[in-house]
Amino acid sequence: AQSVAQPEDQVNVAEGNPLTVKCTYSVSGNPYLFWYVQYPNRGLQFLLKYITGDNLVKGSYGFEAEFNKSQTSFHLKKPSALVSDSALYFCAVRVNDMRFGAGTRLTVKP
Amino acid sequence: NAGVTQTPKFQVLKTGQSMTLQCAQDMNHNSMYWYRQDPGMGLRLIYYSASEGTTDKGEVPNGYNVSRLNKREFSLRLESAAPPQTSVYFCASSEWASDPNEQFFGPGTRLTVL
Repeated sequence: AQSVAQPEDQVNVAEGNPLTVKCTYSVSGNPYLFWYVQYPNRGLQFLLKYITGDNLVKGSYGFEAEFNKSQTSFHLKKPSALVSDSALYFCAVRVNDMRFGAGTRLTVKP
Repeated sequence: NAGVTQTPKFQVLKTGQSMTLQCAQDMNHNSMYWYRQDPGMGLRLIYYSASEGTTDKGEVPNGYNVSRLNKREFSLRLESAAPPQTSVYFCASSEWASDPNEQFFGPGTRLTVL
């Protein structure tokens, strides 16, 4: 069985500070890992994905994520948060079909 | 290029009523998906269509049916709506379900069943 966990319901950071949104996964086999962002009353938008290769993946809007096989984690990071980054973030893992985490609400305060 | 479109945006049903949610994509994608989003549970896959002419159950298929009308369109039907089906429904598409391609999502349909 495959599953993904986002241990934090809410993450608050100050604008300009680095941010991390955590994700851990459990799969048998090699996973494909994704991050999506959802703004209010909108569908999900793709940010980045890990398939294979370099463990550090760069994506849209200055976000990046680090794949850590030993810790089965795929944390989303950004060096300097913007107020406009405030949104709901979903981690997803795909082996057979796509499984999403419950989401983490990121709030960036001015 | 509209991407993935869904109709309607909002719907209120009474228990036992039926309705069909429509989804269309203009990206020439082969695979399409229906998800529901509930607070604290993320997105859960209801049904998907890996290619035109095929459909398969996802994680939570009970109470739903789907039709892949053609390559562009994938509809979700609730034959007899029930309050637990109150949710936000998202349609998505990707180039191929078998490849690690990202999915593109529609804006969602907010459904309330009274």
